[in-house]
Amino acid sequence: AQKITQTQPGMFVQEKEAVTLDCTYDTSDPSYGLFWYKQPSSGEMIFLIYQGSYDQQNATEGRYSLNFQKARKSANLVISASQLGDSAMYFCAMREGEGGYNKLIFGAGTRLAVHP
Amino acid sequence: GAVVSQHPSWVICKSGTSVKIECRSLDFQATTMFWYRQFPKQSLMLMATSNEGSKATYEQGVEKDKFLINHASLTLSTLTVTSAHPEDSSFYICSARDQRTGGKRDTQYFGPGTRLTVL
Repeated sequence: AQKITQTQPGMFVQEKEAVTLDCTYDTSDPSYGLFWYKQPSSGEMIFLIYQGSYDQQNATEGRYSLNFQKARKSANLVISASQLGDSAMYFCAMREGEGGYNKLIFGAGTRLAVHP
Repeated sequence: GAVVSQHPSWVICKSGTSVKIECRSLDFQATTMFWYRQFPKQSLMLMATSNEGSKATYEQGVEKDKFLINHASLTLSTLTVTSAHPEDSSFYICSARDQRTGGKRDTQYFGPGTRLTVL
């Protein structure tokens, strides 16, 4: 079974509007971390936001927020006030267990295109 | 965020030669680094976990004799693709675990990647 599922291969959004990128996950470990990374055409992976499984509040980092619904096992990324520079691939990832020794499992990614 | 560098950013080599890729954490020490491979329009696939001072842990299906990993210091890990063939052409990305934040919030920061083309 897929551990991380991103069902949207591509998304379009108008500049200055908000967009939600979907991510669902599957794990039986009670302790896990969820990450979102951005990969522009240059190829670098840019860390955006982190949500821990025990965190009570949804994570926010500037224009990025994570809509964490634990019972539904979803961790959607919300980008507010989209900018042209937000056009990129976005990957959701999960780390099972404690600490950083455990590997990251990535979803297939969603390509976001921001239109002027 | 933490800074991770990779060198070279791109390399073209002849079939049968070996290529070494370096991954450095520039402003933090990393006891654990990770090597990923990414084919065009696909996601990242973990190849191996590199641990400072010990042997790397390879993912299933990754040939450890072909992809040699050395993590000689707390800021440097190297991946050597030995006897490279055209099917090894790919985008290789490393990441380093920033343990300064500690515990569950440990985050992997990625290098800019190395594009390998084997002729």
